[in-house]
Amino acid sequence: GESVGLHLPTLSVQEGDNSIINCAYSNSASDYFIWYKQESGKGPQFIIDIRSNMDKRQGQRVTVLLNKTVKHLSLQIAATQPGDSAVYFCAERGTDSWGKLQFGAGTQVVVTP
Amino acid sequence: EAQVTQNPRYLITVTGKKLTVTCSQNMNHEYMSWYRQDPGLGLRQIYYSMNVEVTDKGDVPEGYKVSRKEKRNFPLILESPSPNQTSLYFCASSSFGGSYEQYFGPGTRLTVT
Repeated sequence: GESVGLHLPTLSVQEGDNSIINCAYSNSASDYFIWYKQESGKGPQFIIDIRSNMDKRQGQRVTVLLNKTVKHLSLQIAATQPGDSAVYFCAERGTDSWGKLQFGAGTQVVVTP
Repeated sequence: EAQVTQNPRYLITVTGKKLTVTCSQNMNHEYMSWYRQDPGLGLRQIYYSMNVEVTDKGDVPEGYKVSRKEKRNFPLILESPSPNQTSLYFCASSSFGGSYEQYFGPGTRLTVT
């Protein structure tokens, strides 16, 4: 597959443990945040989103936390599985344009048996 | 099957030779967008389109053109490619409704020599 990030921060997690992936965003006016997962050789895949009027949102095995005070976003994955090995990106939308998105550089998650 | 298709998947070309990367979606989505992905930089938005005949610049539009004459198609045009446009390109689409559940294409690996 394609290599998408040669020098990404890497999180190594043991299978079955919980993962926490962090993201610092830049624009205090951003009103919407999204997490994407990208497996090797594939396009990014939507995981979960959260609006700025919320501080927590849960999905299937995933939870996103938003701390607007320190402009920090995190993605928690419960009971990490081998299929969770991928690069994870956060993205933010500013209030100036609905269509404009900015992505973080990504975190490589490696799940070990 | 709901999908975003891109063609070609791989392309090697020379500086200055005009090329077009096609993108098509079969989900009747209003919103479409182009991104480029470079190692360690995450995804950067090139152009996006909110609907037919409506396009706007993303963060890195220089050297690219787009058009949206039909809802399903959103081609990316490089009039005079240069080596710094060597990258992995993704097209994405989504419907309106508040969510950025974008569907991404498989990517186009472009090399400009």
